[in-house]
Amino acid sequence: DVKVTQSSRYLVKRTGEKVFLECVQDMDHENMFWYRQDPGLGLRLIYFSYDVKMKEKGDIPEGYSVSREKKERFSLILESASTNQTSMYLCASSQDRGGYGYTFGSGTRLTVV
Amino acid sequence: AQSVTQPDIHITVSEGASLELRCNYSYGATPYLFWYVQSPGQGLQLLLKYFSGDTLVQGIKGFEAEFKRSQSSFNLRKPSVHWSDAAEYFCAVGNYGQNFVFGPGTRLSVLP
Repeated sequence: DVKVTQSSRYLVKRTGEKVFLECVQDMDHENMFWYRQDPGLGLRLIYFSYDVKMKEKGDIPEGYSVSREKKERFSLILESASTNQTSMYLCASSQDRGGYGYTFGSGTRLTVV
Repeated sequence: AQSVTQPDIHITVSEGASLELRCNYSYGATPYLFWYVQSPGQGLQLLLKYFSGDTLVQGIKGFEAEFKRSQSSFNLRKPSVHWSDAAEYFCAVGNYGQNFVFGPGTRLSVLP
């Protein structure tokens, strides 16, 4: 089975800190995604990448950046964490740009204090 | 704009009862359709998907979903719910080359 691993299940960071959320997939998927999940809002796309060193903004990229130096790894960066970035962050990967669906990691619950 | 609605925020059913979770979408063409389940504290797991062909699709854990083009719906069903089905369920739509759009989710509670 495809596995998407997020390095931390829970993180607590202080306002203004630079935060790195790491995601690694082990099935040679081209496509990787970062979502945040908030109650009542569902999943909102932050950034995505269809290839190494490629990145595209999603629906809510403000305050975030990403890095994809290797095919299997897609990092989400909060340049200066703020309390409104407290959320569940989900990483996903997919084999193609359509029909196979996404495989999700277990999520990282980030609290910014 | 593409959108997905799940009209029920929270549903409670008794164990052994049947279940139907609603999903309606707005999309320019017939999209790919998906249902995901999220157990507490976990990521999302794919339950089933529809691309084309037979409009009734079978998934894992005894779930099925029916695509109705005329109603722009893709409702999820299960004939007999188990306590372990308590979770949050997300409907998603997309198409080749397009990012998926997720609905807001429906939380399912199961009474013993």
